[in-house]
Amino acid sequence: AQSVAQPEDQVNVAEGNPLTVKCTYSVSGNPYLFWYVQYPNRGLQFLLKYITGDNLVKGSYGFEAEFNKSQTSFHLKKPSALVSDSALYFCAVSPGPAAGNKLTFGGGTRVLVKP
Amino acid sequence: NAGVTQTPKFRILKIGQSMTLQCTQDMNHNYMYWYRQDPGMGLKLIYYSVGAGITDKGEVPNGYNVSRSTTEDFPLRLELAAPSQTSVYFCASSFTTTGYLNTGELFFGEGSRLTVL
Repeated sequence: AQSVAQPEDQVNVAEGNPLTVKCTYSVSGNPYLFWYVQYPNRGLQFLLKYITGDNLVKGSYGFEAEFNKSQTSFHLKKPSALVSDSALYFCAVSPGPAAGNKLTFGGGTRVLVKP
Repeated sequence: NAGVTQTPKFRILKIGQSMTLQCTQDMNHNYMYWYRQDPGMGLKLIYYSVGAGITDKGEVPNGYNVSRSTTEDFPLRLELAAPSQTSVYFCASSFTTTGYLNTGELFFGEGSRLTVL
């Protein structure tokens, strides 16, 4: 069975400072990894994904994520946070298309960026 | 393109009532999903479909039913509503093929907030 852990319920950061949201995963075989963002009363929006290739993945809104196979981690990063980045962030893992591309989500991390 | 459209956005049910959450997508995606999101929790998969006429259970299917008669529509039926089904329900779709590198990201609807009293 696959699983995702997001160890921090909330991350507070000052505007302009670097932002990191942590994620570790467990899956059989090669991982398909995703980050999504959810703004209040909205659906989830895709940020980025890792399937293969370069361990550093770049996504929307200046976000990037680093895949580390040995540590089974996929941390989300942004070099300089904005107040508008305040939202709920979800990490997810999929076993791939052959298994229905069923995403398993972590519990979410709330990011609060203070001016 | 409207993307993934869910109706209704809000609904209050009494215990034992039944209802259907509607979901339609106009992106010609083959895969569709229903998730529920409980407060402070991540999303849990209820049912999913890899194409018209094909559905399968996810992690928490009890108390729900689905059908997929067309590519566009994937309704979720709640039979005999219970307070434990109070949640926000999200429908999602993706274009996914069996090619190794061809895993599409999920596109989500805005959600349907259901309260069972």
